[in-house]
Amino acid sequence: DAKTTQPNSMESNEEEPVHLPCNHSTISGTDYIHWYRQLPSQGPEYVIHGLTSNVNNRMASLAIAEDRKSSTLILHRATLRDAAVYYCILRSGGSQGNLIFGKGTKLSVKP
Amino acid sequence: GAGVSQSPSNKVTEKGKDVELRCDPISGHTALYWYRQRLGQGLEFLIYFQGNSAPDKSGLPSDRFSAERTGESVSTLTIQRTQQEDSAVYLCASSLVASSTDTQYFGPGTRLTVL
Repeated sequence: DAKTTQPNSMESNEEEPVHLPCNHSTISGTDYIHWYRQLPSQGPEYVIHGLTSNVNNRMASLAIAEDRKSSTLILHRATLRDAAVYYCILRSGGSQGNLIFGKGTKLSVKP
Repeated sequence: GAGVSQSPSNKVTEKGKDVELRCDPISGHTALYWYRQRLGQGLEFLIYFQGNSAPDKSGLPSDRFSAERTGESVSTLTIQRTQQEDSAVYLCASSLVASSTDTQYFGPGTRLTVL
């Protein structure tokens, strides 16, 4: 699976939108972009995934660049509960196995 | 419905002892994964099971680590002759099937402390 690069940390104010970037310049055509997050003292939880088109769900939106070399996870209105480490992970089309976690981005949300 | 459960939630052991960690996946999930997370670090893959296929053991750090899964249900991770560097949170996850689009559901983890 190709590698991703994320900022180590970001800060946000409560009730404001948050844009979490991820670079994946070596992404291949069949790689899916997945996002998971890990709240303090909990296991990771799935957030969203996509291939080429932008995706929306109840938790977040995923904006994928046209060349697919980067993507952005968007939390439309941050809450204190969104404070977590966010992981951007690529999974190849032929992958049937484990997730490869990097260091992720630690998001802090200020009241 | 019930999520992935793990037991015990905490385990303290002495160096050199063997430990067994248990994972109960979501019913009907054919794929099961074990990860390890050392303090302040990201998750490291250990092993995964998919149905009746041979498990992928490529992440196991040494032959002291082994895991079994009974059918498509409970799994146990065994660490023999524990060392202090084995101290970590051990996380289990399951998914309906193992694929590039599957969603993995994680348990709360077992915090292992080796004295």
